Amino acid sequence: QVQLVESGGGVVQPGKSLRLSCAASGFIFSNYGMHWVRQAPGKGLEWLALTRNDGTEEFYADSAQGRFIISRDNSRNTIYLQMNSLRTDDTALYYCAKDGNQGSSWFDYWGQGILVTVSS
Amino acid sequence: QSVLTQPPSVSGAPGQRVTISCTGSNSNIGVGYPVNWYQQFPGTAPKLVIYDNNNRPSGVPDRFSGSKSGTSASLAITGLQAEDEADYYCQSFDMSLSDSVFGGGTRLTVL
Repeated sequence: QVQLVESGGGVVQPGKSLRLSCAASGFIFSNYGMHWVRQAPGKGLEWLALTRNDGTEEFYADSAQGRFIISRDNSRNTIYLQMNSLRTDDTALYYCAKDGNQGSSWFDYWGQGILVTVSS
Repeated sequence: QSVLTQPPSVSGAPGQRVTISCTGSNSNIGVGYPVNWYQQFPGTAPKLVIYDNNNRPSGVPDRFSGSKSGTSASLAITGLQAEDEADYYCQSFDMSLSDSVFGGGTRLTVL
């Protein structure tokens, strides 16, 4: 069965960096786009970034553009989110999610989420 | 302010039918981008319940259905059960932002 497991979260000071990982299993990883979505405490869902199945294209929300970098390693079935210049409003639960179909607009599987707390 | 607008809360008694609306614009739902719906229980990850406007993933009860008209979409739940109490989010793509976008979420309370 499909499994997505995030790691790398924690408490970090404003201005610092953090890299999240999402290890995937149970499907042909290189066939699917993968996303990062976050949820601030008590708030709704916010899409952050997409990496295409072959890693040749990345897309970002305005809130992530210029500070966050999404990448993937198809040999390791893993995607990453490099987060730089972190701000207190980046505090959130970060989910990785899988494309429903190649090029689809929906996310059919989600990880359990990993908490990132930005605080001095 | 979310690009897609949902009511903050809806409620219904067991057995009743409830609908959750999702209002967009002519840069997302209105130009034909599919609407998808997610169910989220407190402390857990979202779960896809409707995709591509009106399709149910395997395992989602047929009490859940989706529809779309113009710049809006709706999630309907019939035969409401206590286990349906959760937050529900609509999601689509916005061509002006070139982003996937979510509604602000709706808390469904089963009375």
